[in-house]
Amino acid sequence: GQQVMQIPQYQHVQEGEDFTTYCNSSTTLSNIQWYKQRPGGHPVFLIQLVKSGEVKKQKRLTFQFGEAKKNSSLHITATQTTDVGTYFCAGYGGATNKLIFGTGTLLAVQP
Amino acid sequence: DSGVTQTPKHLITATGQRVTLRCSPRSGDLSVYWYQQSLDQGLQFLIQYYNGEERAKGNILERFSAQQFPDLHSELNLSSLELGDSALYFCASSLSGGSTTGELFFGEGSRLTVL
Repeated sequence: GQQVMQIPQYQHVQEGEDFTTYCNSSTTLSNIQWYKQRPGGHPVFLIQLVKSGEVKKQKRLTFQFGEAKKNSSLHITATQTTDVGTYFCAGYGGATNKLIFGTGTLLAVQP
Repeated sequence: DSGVTQTPKHLITATGQRVTLRCSPRSGDLSVYWYQQSLDQGLQFLIQYYNGEERAKGNILERFSAQQFPDLHSELNLSSLELGDSALYFCASSLSGGSTTGELFFGEGSRLTVL
């Protein structure tokens, strides 16, 4: 079945450093979504990318969707302590109606 | 507040028992999704309903079942509980369903502990 992997599993950065998480799917995705889950919280939607090669920015966050629509990345510039949490990508693969979540990347930010 | 309500927030029960988790989607949303999140694990897709009908199925155990009622609320039934069923169960809703769906709105989850 469809698998969505993310690397790294965990990253610890100093406040002000940049951070990137990568998302790779075993199948072509019709779109990709990104969610953030704060510790003890529930996933919250960040963004959706639909087009091949699409790049979107939200303040310090930059999201990319790969040309082959099988991978995506989230880059955070100059991390802040408020960025702490687990970042998940999620996508619909092929003809499936299942929104499959990636394995997630836990970001820790040291002040 | 996402607008998705899940009850109960916490539940402690014994092995072999049966529990029911309830979810009320956001007003106007027709799709309901159930995900399982074990400790330090990702979100495992269980099942999706759209306007009362099952739309997609993930790796949901045969001991688990779900349904969506005419008022669009959903229930996830977990039976013959095992220790490994201890997890956070999230419900999410969206306006539509399928690959054209936009964002999912998640509830705060129901934490199940099986002793």
